Amino acid sequence: QQQVKQSPQSLIVQKGGIPIINCAYENTAFDYFPWYQQFPGKGPALLIAIRPDVSEKKEGRFTISFNKSAKQFSLHIMDSQPGDSATYFCAARAPGFGNEKLTFGTGTRLTIIP
Amino acid sequence: DTEVTQTPKHLVMGMTNKKSLKCEQHMGHRAMYWYKQKAKKPPELMFVYSYEKLSINESVPSRFSPECPNSSLLNLHLHALQPEDSALYLCASSQDPNSPLHFGNGTRLTVT
Repeated sequence: QQQVKQSPQSLIVQKGGIPIINCAYENTAFDYFPWYQQFPGKGPALLIAIRPDVSEKKEGRFTISFNKSAKQFSLHIMDSQPGDSATYFCAARAPGFGNEKLTFGTGTRLTIIP
Repeated sequence: DTEVTQTPKHLVMGMTNKKSLKCEQHMGHRAMYWYKQKAKKPPELMFVYSYEKLSINESVPSRFSPECPNSSLLNLHLHALQPEDSALYLCASSQDPNSPLHFGNGTRLTVT
């Protein structure tokens, strides 16, 4: 029940396209859903996060869409650039728990080709 | 540049060596974490310090020993490691245990 399933494992998109990364969860108690971006040789960095009281959150070119009934959330990158090439991890956490209970997805390696 | 600084960036050690990884943050964060990350995998939590006290130890072998000398510093002491312990070791901090994580860039450890 603590799992977060992430797909696809890898994704190649042409510059300017809109890559979409999907995550699904089983634990309906999860109430915090962050996305992390990790470049090679670097640590993960928080990109954007959403709580289930909204269906969409946008920060710059990055948008999270949240579907509570389907228990799914996804990351969209508008006008993607080669500099967006990185590994993306979704994550989820239940209320009443700290970061020790943050469950990560398996990661998506995104490549944006010029 | 990340505000969580980890040293060294790379470390190669033999199975009989003793070494330490160091992590420093000056953001006033009161929770600090050690994660282990294998290639193409998500980070796995090892230890959590909350207000300088060890609060979580995720069944990590005793050859890994954490230490939190003060609220800004976190060490990971390594002894008698195995080749399968080779990984990227990430330190992270957060303002409190519920706030967003800030990761360092990690120490790439190779055990020979």
